[in-house]
Amino acid sequence: AQRVTQPEKLLSVFKGAPVELKCNYSYSGSPELFWYVQYSRQRLQLLLRHISRESIKGFTADLNKGETSFHLKKPFAQEEDSAMYYCALRGGADGLTFGKGTHLIIQP
Amino acid sequence: GAGVSQTPSNKVTEKGKYVELRCDPISGHTALYWYRQSLGQGPEFLIYFQGTGAADDSGLPNDRFFAVRPEGSVSTLKIQRTERGDSAMYLCASSSYAPDSTQYFGPGTRLTVL
Repeated sequence: AQRVTQPEKLLSVFKGAPVELKCNYSYSGSPELFWYVQYSRQRLQLLLRHISRESIKGFTADLNKGETSFHLKKPFAQEEDSAMYYCALRGGADGLTFGKGTHLIIQP
Repeated sequence: GAGVSQTPSNKVTEKGKYVELRCDPISGHTALYWYRQSLGQGPEFLIYFQGTGAADDSGLPNDRFFAVRPEGSVSTLKIQRTERGDSAMYLCASSSYAPDSTQYFGPGTRLTVL
C-alpha cells in the first residue's frame, strides 16, 4: 500500500526565515512525487513535481529515495506563502495519494 | 481558458437521500478524477476515468457510490442512501492523456448530510 506522511499539521515561521515542510512516503516501486498548494479561498493547484526539478516561487524539493522523503524547502519565507501544502504520490495507478497537509503560516 | 468547474458548490441533504454532483473538466482533457476530502485530511482518491470508461474505481468506499461519464466529458458522482459520514468536500480533477500530465482541480462541492 502507498502512504504519504506529513508530520506537521501546522508550521509557523517568521517572514524571511527558511521554511521546510516535511514529507515522507511509503511505496514499493518508483513513485512520482508532487507538492500541491491551496491558498485561502482558492482551489488546489500544483506547486512542483520531482521529475521536472524546477524551482517554483522559490520552493524546491528533492526526492531522497534512501530516506523516502520529498521535503519542500524555501530559503526565505514570504507572507504570500501562507497556505495549505499537500504532498502527493502517484504510484502505479493514476490517482494521487495525498498526505494530510501542513498549514504554513508566515508571520510578519 | 476555463478551468474545471463543479456544481453545485454546496449541497445540503438529509440522511437517506440521493445526491448527484457534477464535474465539467477542462475541454479536451480525456482523464477525469474524483476525490473526497474530509475535514483535516488530504484528498482521498475515489475513481479515475479515461474517456468514457472507469479505468480505476478502487477508491469508491462502497456500492452506494457510483460515477458516470457517458460522453467522455462531463462526469456525475452519484451517492445513494446518503449517510452523515458522507459529509465532505468532493473534488474533481482533469488532465490530458499524456502519462506525466498535471491534474487540474475544480473548486469542489461541499456535501453536508444532516
